[in-house]
Amino acid sequence: GAVVSQHPSRVICKSGTSVKIECRSLDFQATTMFWYRQFPKQSLMLMATSNEGSKATYEQGVEKDKFLINHASLTLSTLTVTSAHPEDSSFYICSARDEGAFEYEQYFGPGTRLTVT
Amino acid sequence: DAKTTQPNSMESNEEEPVHLPCNHSTISGTDYIHWYRQLPSQGPEYVIHGLTSNVNNRMASLAIAEDRKSSTLILHRATLRDAAVYYCILRRETSGSRLTFGEGTQLTVNP
Repeated sequence: GAVVSQHPSRVICKSGTSVKIECRSLDFQATTMFWYRQFPKQSLMLMATSNEGSKATYEQGVEKDKFLINHASLTLSTLTVTSAHPEDSSFYICSARDEGAFEYEQYFGPGTRLTVT
Repeated sequence: DAKTTQPNSMESNEEEPVHLPCNHSTISGTDYIHWYRQLPSQGPEYVIHGLTSNVNNRMASLAIAEDRKSSTLILHRATLRDAAVYYCILRRETSGSRLTFGEGTQLTVNP
């Protein structure tokens, strides 16, 4: 199946700094990508829908000024956690839909483990 | 989004079939049934999806009840690598690609 990559796979940053996470679709184009957050022992929570060339759509309760999403090309979306705090420590996962596929296909990245100290 | 209900956990023995149930009594006519699984510290992996008819692929089979209010994911011969959290998700065609994850079923496979 298609591949979605994330970079970095894990990052440690100090409180108050910003961290950027990249999500790439490696062998297909994706006008829509999704960002999820997952705390330990919990399920994935959808944070936002990233739309190529337009503003992201955030889920209720997600601060758009804190979690900046940019989808500048058909293969790349970035999530920037601004002014990170320890409570932002989590596993961040992106996904992308292969809209060129005949059947519905959505692929997930391997995740980025963010630790804020 | 319509809600799904799954058992918190299930156990199986290696090389035996596993039937993972999912209830979705409020499913609507345009809702697709998707199954994903997630291994520890990894992103979810697509398993299978269907609308009305039973589906088979190289990973699993999906049996959908006639009234569509429940479905069962069938792993024909469980291996240790199948130990994961399995998520049953309803995707409404009108909501595009959005997937809303529930709590899932933690499958343990005993050697």
